[in-house]
Amino acid sequence: QSALTQPASVSGSPGQSITISCTGTSSDFGTYNYVSWYQQHPGKAPKLMIYDVTNRTSGISNRFSGFKSGNTASLTISGLQSEDEADYYCSSYTSINYVFGTGTKVTVL
Amino acid sequence: QVQLVQSGAEVKKPGSSVKVSCKASGGTFSSYSISWVRQAPGQGLEWMGGIIPVFGATNYAQKFQGRVTITADESTSTVYMELSSLSSEDAAIYYCARDATSVWEPILTYYMDVWGKGTTVTVSS
Repeated sequence: QSALTQPASVSGSPGQSITISCTGTSSDFGTYNYVSWYQQHPGKAPKLMIYDVTNRTSGISNRFSGFKSGNTASLTISGLQSEDEADYYCSSYTSINYVFGTGTKVTVL
Repeated sequence: QVQLVQSGAEVKKPGSSVKVSCKASGGTFSSYSISWVRQAPGQGLEWMGGIIPVFGATNYAQKFQGRVTITADESTSTVYMELSSLSSEDAAIYYCARDATSVWEPILTYYMDVWGKGTTVTVSS
């Protein structure tokens, strides 16, 4: 199973909003809504941000929001802050296994 | 709050095997699926497989079928991942991660909410 497709990099200025897309096939997302997003700072383990497409995990700012339409999921970061600079990965679960996105490096200009 | 503590860094020769451990502490262990995810230098995350300790049921990514073995020891709340026939392409950080919902819950969802800090595996002759 191939990785989900994400843009390699997205950048924005502090205070701006950015959106990261995550595109797969119907077999990647199917009829499921098991899409999650992880943030990873350099040298650190991934950290869960969003689960079940739209739900923020405990302690995550409401500046982070998730959405899915068809075979594309997206993560929007509003009010961009310097600490948001990191790699972001989407993930989907398809009845038997997990698949991750290719990853997106977010740069705060 | 459960924590996943992984074993230390490994240096292995090509063609050999490596076995990495992941010990759960501070919470329920056996009814949650534990996955292994690896990350090669400068690369993305790659799911390798997982195990539900209470059932001993495993599920492996097709890419690693026949080369990876995931086992669990409920008595010590530890999950192991063994990867054989190592090559330079297996040099990576290996993470264990726990699914968020227990298999006994009426509504299942699938995402990984607790991660270990990672184990670096170096493959070098």
